[in-house]
Amino acid sequence: QQQVKQSPQSLIVQKGGISIINCAYENTAFDYFPWYQQFPGKGPALLIAIRPDVSEKKEGRFTISFNKSAKQFSLHIMDSQPGDSATYFCAASSPSGAGSYQLTFGKGTKLSVIP
Amino acid sequence: NAGVTQTPKFRILKIGQSMTLQCTQDMNHNYMYWYRQDPGMGLKLIYYSVGAGITDKGEVPNGYNVSRSTTEDFPLRLELAAPSQTSVYFCASSASTDTQYFGPGTRLTVL
Repeated sequence: QQQVKQSPQSLIVQKGGISIINCAYENTAFDYFPWYQQFPGKGPALLIAIRPDVSEKKEGRFTISFNKSAKQFSLHIMDSQPGDSATYFCAASSPSGAGSYQLTFGKGTKLSVIP
Repeated sequence: NAGVTQTPKFRILKIGQSMTLQCTQDMNHNYMYWYRQDPGMGLKLIYYSVGAGITDKGEVPNGYNVSRSTTEDFPLRLELAAPSQTSVYFCASSASTDTQYFGPGTRLTVL
């Protein structure tokens, strides 16, 4: 069964601190690992993504760390700000029928950054 | 460029009623998807399409139907609504195998 396990379920971080969200997967056919950010009442939006040929990708304050052998990847948010308060979903993609790719999502982490 | 639009934003149905959730994208994307989001459960894929006239089931297709007659539109049909279909529904589209762009969602309650 294709699953992506995400933790923690919720996270409270002080402004300026580091937020860390972890995900683990089993299916070695996964070849694309995006993180989505969702604000209340909105649809998810792509934040950052990585492919398994690199171990780290950084975009501004957001970094994905990827450990292929452990089948784990994580999102680090440096200098966390109140505006980062949202729900974050990790996901993993694998090929499906007819040339499409399906995303399998983790259950989400609700991040609250307090002043 | 509106991206992915969904209508309606909110809807309350009675058990046994039917309805169609509309989804339109103006990015000329071949791939389109329907997800449902339940609290604490992430997003589950209902149906997807790789182009006009081609659809396939996702993880949770029971109780739903889709059609894709044009590149732009991908409606989701609920027949005989049940309380278990109370959820937030998201439509998404993508040009390739990676980034999916999501609509704002439809919040459906079945009473």
